[in-house]
Amino acid sequence: ETGVTQSPTHLIKTRGQQVTLRCSSQSGHNTVSWYQQALGQGPQFIFQYYREEENGRGNFPPRFSGLQFPNYSSELNVNALELDDSALYLCASSWGAGLNEQFFGPGTRLTVL
Amino acid sequence: AQKVTQAQTEISVVEKEDVTLDCVYETRDTTYYLFWYKQPPSGELVFLIRRNSFDEQNEISGRYSWNFQKSTSSFNFTITASQVVDSAVYFCALRDKETSGSRLTFGEGTQLTVNP
Repeated sequence: ETGVTQSPTHLIKTRGQQVTLRCSSQSGHNTVSWYQQALGQGPQFIFQYYREEENGRGNFPPRFSGLQFPNYSSELNVNALELDDSALYLCASSWGAGLNEQFFGPGTRLTVL
Repeated sequence: AQKVTQAQTEISVVEKEDVTLDCVYETRDTTYYLFWYKQPPSGELVFLIRRNSFDEQNEISGRYSWNFQKSTSSFNFTITASQVVDSAVYFCALRDKETSGSRLTFGEGTQLTVNP
C-alpha cells in the first residue's frame, strides 16, 4: 500500500448536485495531483496542488475546483454534476512538483444519476 | 503536446507464456520520464517502474523487463512466464516539463488476462 488514502470509497449523486472528495497524502509528501478515470480509459489529469497552491491544470471546466490544506491533504470539489462526471477519481501524492514518482490512492468511484 | 499510445486494447495469454505490452510516446521535451503502472480490479494504480529520458539501459526486475528505445519513442514492457495474478490493466505514462504541474499523461491501457 502507498499510504495515500481517499474518502469516500463510493458515492452516488444526482445531476446538478455538488460533491467533495478527500485525499490524504503519504507522509512527507507535499504535492497532490487529481485524476479522473472514466470507465475503460486512462486517467486524465485534473489539477495539481503544491504547497497549498494550484500548480497546473488539465482540460477541465472551472466547476472542478480544489484545495490543499497545511497538512497537505486535499479536496476535490465538483459543482453542477453532469452524467459524464461518473468516473473513478484518483489522487496521487509526491514530494515536490518535479518529476518524482506519484503514488496513487485507491480512488473514489463517483456515480452520477 | 504529449501523447501516449498503447495500441493493444486487450491481450489474453495462457499461464507461463511471455507477453509484451507496447507503448509509444510523443513529446517535444528532451527531459522526461516514462512510467508503467498496474491497475488490478481493486482500482488502485500500482507503480512498477520509472525511466528517465537519458537512460536507455534496459532493465530486468524478476519476471518483468522493460525495453526503452528513444529512436522509436517506445517503452515496451515484457512479463516472462506470466501468472494469473498478472491479470490487470497496465498503463504506460509520460511525465515531462512541457506543461506545468508535471502531470502524468497516460495511455488508454492494455487489459491483460492470464488464463490458467
